[in-house]
Amino acid sequence: GQQVMQIPQYQHVQEGEDFTTYCNSSTTLSNIQWYKQRPGGHPVFLIQLVKSGEVKKQKRLTFQFGEAKKNSSLHITATQTTDVGTYFCAGSPGSARQLTFGSGTQLTVLP
Amino acid sequence: NAGVTQTPKFQVLKTGQSMTLQCAQDMNHNSMYWYRQDPGMGLRLIYYSASEGTTDKGEVPNGYNVSRLNKREFSLRLESAAPSQTSVYFCASRDRADIQYFGAGTRLSVL
Repeated sequence: GQQVMQIPQYQHVQEGEDFTTYCNSSTTLSNIQWYKQRPGGHPVFLIQLVKSGEVKKQKRLTFQFGEAKKNSSLHITATQTTDVGTYFCAGSPGSARQLTFGSGTQLTVLP
Repeated sequence: NAGVTQTPKFQVLKTGQSMTLQCAQDMNHNSMYWYRQDPGMGLRLIYYSASEGTTDKGEVPNGYNVSRLNKREFSLRLESAAPSQTSVYFCASRDRADIQYFGAGTRLSVL
């Protein structure tokens, strides 16, 4: 079955440093989504990428979808303590009816 | 709008006991999902319902049953709880833009 791998599993950064998490799928994806889960909370949708090579930005967050549509990344510039949480990618080979989630990257930002 | 509401928030069961996790959404979404979240394993799909009256197995359906009672409600039943079912359970619904909205979760411990 489809597998979505995400690295690193954990990342500790000093406030102000940059952060990147990577997502790789064993199969070509039709789309990829990113979610954020604050400690003790529930996943919240951040963004969806659909096109090969697509790049989207949300303030300090930059999302990329690979040319082969098998990988994606999330980059945060100048992290803040509000960025703390676990970031998940989720993809689907066909319609988004059934998503496969990566294992997540837990980000800790040290003040 | 409440979004996706899950009850209960916490539950402790003894091995062999049964229980039903309730989920309701007020966003008129067709598709609903049940996931479990375990440390280091991300979100794994248990069952989903693409529309009222239909349900399908996900990645980890063994030991669970579901009922799509109506468009709003999608319940998850554990007939005979096992310690391996200790987890955080999330219900979600999906809108037409394929964004998933999650409930606050049910934290279940099986002793």
